[in-house]
Amino acid sequence: DAKTTQPPSMDCAEGRAANLPCNHSTISGNEYVYWYRQIHSQGPQYIIHGLKNNETNEMASLIITEDRKSSTLILPHATLRDTAVYYCIVSPRGYGNKLVFGAGTILRVKS
Amino acid sequence: GAGVSQTPSNKVTEKGKYVELRCDPISGHTALYWYRQSLGQGPEFLIYFQGTGAADDSGLPNDRFFAVRPEGSVSTLKIQRTERGDSAVYLCASSPSGQATDTQYFGPGTRLTVL
Repeated sequence: DAKTTQPPSMDCAEGRAANLPCNHSTISGNEYVYWYRQIHSQGPQYIIHGLKNNETNEMASLIITEDRKSSTLILPHATLRDTAVYYCIVSPRGYGNKLVFGAGTILRVKS
Repeated sequence: GAGVSQTPSNKVTEKGKYVELRCDPISGHTALYWYRQSLGQGPEFLIYFQGTGAADDSGLPNDRFFAVRPEGSVSTLKIQRTERGDSAVYLCASSPSGQATDTQYFGPGTRLTVL
């Protein structure tokens, strides 16, 4: 079973920041938080991951709370192409990190 | 460079038939994963290869499902005596070494329909 909880859907206006929350209250110390997204009819695409510090890359920012029980993925300027299902996943360190996907959040970016 | 490719993109078969689904990972990636995704759900892990060996096959639903990776590159997922419940998108992913911090790169999937 997925160890994360996400809202089933969210809407965002084009050009605005999209903030996608994720609850992972049972996360353990050796588990990373990953975000992937899946655009319709495509395979999932990696976005970002983190352990305990906030992370930023060219796609998004990841904010992890100090207790690590929740996180927020931020798309700073959402575009219509960001419409997708966003998955928050926790997975341990080590090799063979099979990803356990939940239902994710459907993000609809609207013009 | 080329990403992960999967063939065929679509496969329609009849109940009871045997099917093979192929995955070509990114060149040089030692880790390869198979997932399957039913309509409206997230992908579900099936099996993980490190090189030629199946390091974790805990997600295979039953003994009708089998996967190989004989030379540590291309992998084939084999399903015997297909059932209607096997209908799904089968996704393959590869990563450079299988470490937790590796990005998994997914292919576009094979849509399997069992009539």
